[in-house]
Amino acid sequence: DAGVIQSPRHEVTEMGQEVTLRCKPISGHDYLFWYRQTMMRGLELLIYFNNNVPIDDSGMPEDRFSAKMPNASFSTLKIQPSEPRDSAVYFCASSLGGAGPQHFGDGTRLSIL
Amino acid sequence: AQSVTQLGSHVSVSEGALVLLRCNYSSSVPPYLFWYVQYPNQGLQLLLKYTTGATLVKGINGFEAEFKKSETSFHLTKPSAHMSDAAEYFCAVSDRGGFKTIFGAGTRLFVKA
Repeated sequence: DAGVIQSPRHEVTEMGQEVTLRCKPISGHDYLFWYRQTMMRGLELLIYFNNNVPIDDSGMPEDRFSAKMPNASFSTLKIQPSEPRDSAVYFCASSLGGAGPQHFGDGTRLSIL
Repeated sequence: AQSVTQLGSHVSVSEGALVLLRCNYSSSVPPYLFWYVQYPNQGLQLLLKYTTGATLVKGINGFEAEFKKSETSFHLTKPSAHMSDAAEYFCAVSDRGGFKTIFGAGTRLFVKA
């Protein structure tokens, strides 16, 4: 089975630009999670969806961040405008059931110059 | 509310020595408990999980963990460390009817030759 697929793997862009990160969850999984990982703050949950509906976005740092899940096989995390402090590795994960083990993608390493 | 505490952000062992990574959790309801491993430039991978039943759980790569309710602990062990075990390890907790998993801050394991 294909795992969680994230794209791009690396993104380097200038401050102020819009950034879109993409995620394809494992087929059949009903929960999708977006995380951010930095050395200083560790692994932070940004938002999660159940059956394509956003359930908890309390971890989204600012209004510059938005996430969508238009269907069961695709989700995006958008940052607009981007800032240098948004530089991090962003992970998408999916699970069957909210309390079940999560399957992570390989992440997007984002650098904002 | 649930929480996870991993004791020691860094642990160093010699190859062949016992690996012990400590995790304590807080949960008002019976928890699901997980250990994940993260290798460089990769996402987190599930090592093992405890849901119900036997409190000693065996995972991949020779790792095991024991759920001790009285101590609210779920420590990860491996009898003999291998160089390939060098990675970051995350303990996580979710509640059985819950909708999200709480991750610990992670413990980086170093293995010396």
